[in-house]
Formats: sequence, structure tokens, C-alpha cells
Amino acid sequence: GIQVEQSPPDLILQEGANSTLRCNFSDSVNNLQWFHQNPWGQLINLFYIPSGTKQNGRLSATTVATERYSLLYISSSQTTDSGVYFCAVTKYNNNDMRFGAGTRLTVKP
Amino acid sequence: DVKVTQSSRYLVKRTGEKVFLECVQDMDHENMFWYRQDPGLGLRLIYFSYDVKMKEKGDIPEGYSVSREKKERFSLILESASTNQTSMYLCASRSASQYEQYFGPGTRLTVT
Repeated sequence: GIQVEQSPPDLILQEGANSTLRCNFSDSVNNLQWFHQNPWGQLINLFYIPSGTKQNGRLSATTVATERYSLLYISSSQTTDSGVYFCAVTKYNNNDMRFGAGTRLTVKP
Repeated sequence: DVKVTQSSRYLVKRTGEKVFLECVQDMDHENMFWYRQDPGLGLRLIYFSYDVKMKEKGDIPEGYSVSREKKERFSLILESASTNQTSMYLCASRSASQYEQYFGPGTRLTVT
């Protein structure tokens, strides 16, 4: 099956810093989502982005489908950005979603 | 907003007990999913359902069963809980006409 690799596995930032999280996938996909899991365990949809670039406030994402990677940018990080960020993809149908192992982000005040 | 709820946030059960985890969504979504999350492994699909009474195995169905008697409700059943089923369990739903999955708050199950 399709493999999803996220890097870095852990990231520690000072408040106000910028960061880039990466997601590589091993095959072509028809769906890619970024999620943020808050410290209480809730996964929140950040972006549905199978290709192209999207922005939502301080967060933006870019997927280069032909090169099989996606990037999540967090600017001016805040302590509330802490948590685990997951990338998830589907190839054939949208019921077969594959998750990466996540990037754990800690933003220090 | 899509709302997916799970019956318990925390659950402690003994080895051998039968365990029911309930998930309810309020957006009339056709598809519902159960995942488990373990450190370093991300989320792994246990079962999903694309319609009432329909189910499909995911990557790790062993030791689990599911039930979907109503469109809004999807239950995960551990017939005889074991310590290796200690994990975070996440339910999700998705409309058949859209791509995004929406997750519930999770149930952290401990089997002792």
C-alpha cells in the first residue's frame, strides 16, 4: 500500500517562529488532508489539498502532486499551535485513507 | 458544522470483557470509520461502513467487530478485550460526495 512519511518527527519552537512540516507519499493520490490533533486528542481538519496551494490565516499548505510531497507552513507560531500534525492520503477511493506517523510540534512561550 | 461524538472520552476495562464504543454523527454522512492510534504509528483503519448494515475491513480488523444499524451510528465492539487493545480509538465520518473526513474527540481505552 501507499506509504506516507512525515518529517521532522518532533519540532520545538519559540513562540513567533515559523516552521515547515513535510509529507512525502509513495504513489499518486487523489486526496490529501492535513490535520491538527490538539493535546486533548481531537483531530481538526486544516486543509484538503490534493494539489496546489491554500492559505488559512497563519497556516498555508502546498502539494506538488507530480513530485509526491506536501508542505504545511506555520507562521508566527503560537502556543496553541502545539500538538501533532498529520498528513493523510487516499489513492483509489476515499475510504482507504493512509496516515503518516505525524509531526509533534511544541511551541514554547 | 459537522459534529461527530463518541460515547466516552476515557474507558477502563478488564481483560476478557466485552467493550462497546459508540459513535454518532449528525450530518447524514454515508461513510463512517473506526481508527486506532498508537504512538509512532499514526492512525490505522480498523473498519469502515459505507451504508447501513454494510461494513468493510480495514488494515487491522482482528479482535474487533462493528455494527451499523442506523445511518448516524457506528459501533465498535471488542468481543473479549485484551491488553494489546489499549489504545486511542477515533471515529470519523465522511459524505459520499466529498473528500474530507471529520473526526470525533476519541476514546482512550485502557485494558487491564
